[in-house]
Amino acid sequence: SQTIHQWPATLVQPVGSPLSLECTVEGTSNPNLYWYRQAAGRGLQLLFYSVGIGQISSEVPQNLSASRPQDRQFILSSKKLLLSDSGFYLCAWSGMGQVTQYFGPGTRLTVL
Amino acid sequence: SQELEQSPQSLIVQEGKNLTINCTSSKTLYGLYWYKQKYGEGLIFLMMLQKGGEEKSHEKITAKLDEKKQQSSLHITASQPSHAGIYLCGARGGNRDDKIIFGKGTRLHILP
Repeated sequence: SQTIHQWPATLVQPVGSPLSLECTVEGTSNPNLYWYRQAAGRGLQLLFYSVGIGQISSEVPQNLSASRPQDRQFILSSKKLLLSDSGFYLCAWSGMGQVTQYFGPGTRLTVL
Repeated sequence: SQELEQSPQSLIVQEGKNLTINCTSSKTLYGLYWYKQKYGEGLIFLMMLQKGGEEKSHEKITAKLDEKKQQSSLHITASQPSHAGIYLCGARGGNRDDKIIFGKGTRLHILP
């Protein structure tokens, strides 16, 4: 069966520090991968999605970036965090050609 | 761009009572997804509806799709404490779009 992991579960970082959040999927090949941010009162916002290694689409311009170095690994990064980057970050995957997405447990990021 | 409006935003019901959550789209629906989220956790996929008039059930949760009204409803019968959480609806952005646009969610509290 397929599983999705996110690391770390929680993170507290100072403003201006770098960020790296990792998402890995097991039990499937060539998944579509997604990064979302969930902030209070703003719902679930799609940040990036990827249909293959090295293929990243950005939905919202910001100081975050994403990379997909391996088929089942998706990384969310920032060189300098802003206060507004605080939130709950969710990674999701869907099967190739499928739309239904399955979510990871999330990472709660607090920028101070 | 497509928007999904969920109502109510929050709901408090007595254990054992029935309840309904609605999701209305600003554009034609090409697939409607319901997810449940417990605070601080990832989203759990409940069900997907694709055709007008379609109705699906998952334990005591039933969802219906009214394609003409661009609307879906989620009905919980004989609510239990385990039903508490945030319910989010999502829809495909277009007929060939593999991304999902989400509503802001309905927060459900169950009183013992």
